Amino acid sequence: QKEVEQNSGPLSVPEGAIASLNCTYSDRGSQSFFWYRQYSGKSPELIMFIYSNGDKEDGRFTAQLNKASQYVSLLIRDSQPSDSATYLCAVSLSGSARQLTFGSGTQLTVLP
Amino acid sequence: GAVVSQHPSRVICKSGTSVKIECRSLDFQATTMFWYRQFPKQSLMLMATSNEGSKATYEQGVEKDKFLINHASLTLSTLTVTSAHPEDSSFYICSARRGQGDEKLFFGSGTQLSVL
Repeated sequence: QKEVEQNSGPLSVPEGAIASLNCTYSDRGSQSFFWYRQYSGKSPELIMFIYSNGDKEDGRFTAQLNKASQYVSLLIRDSQPSDSATYLCAVSLSGSARQLTFGSGTQLTVLP
Repeated sequence: GAVVSQHPSRVICKSGTSVKIECRSLDFQATTMFWYRQFPKQSLMLMATSNEGSKATYEQGVEKDKFLINHASLTLSTLTVTSAHPEDSSFYICSARRGQGDEKLFFGSGTQLSVL
């Protein structure tokens, strides 16, 4: 079982819709959770982080964390074509010397 | 966010040559930097953790004699791919944290290495 799992997609949504990206992790002791956006040929860019159960909103982005279910998600409201990218979920595993483990990423396409 | 500069952004070299990649933290001091490799359509794979003033910690399966890491100052880490071969062609990315209590990773712009 992979430590951090994401649906690879591709996920396609129409412009203006809500895009929902999901991530599960295996280590119940995980402490910190991050969402990165990566455009093709570019390096990842941090867009959200969450440490506590519940929702965290930042502009059009909402991160949701449920530690009991070992599940973290990212919602993108009013999706724009510029949101088309690969979204990487990253988790700081317990006892990992603060290294981040990345999921394989979900490719999102927002259709104009 | 914090600024991490990586250079060069792209390099093409002949098989057997060595390539050095630099990673600098521009607006903060980084006692630890991380080097990742990413193959097309795959996720980031941690290669090694670079520690200022001490030896790097390599992940299982990563050859330390092939991927030399030097973290000589609090703002600079270098990765040298020695005797590069076509299978070393990949996207190499460095990253760093701003401080001890900050879990967030900030990435350099990446280096696309192509070995002919």
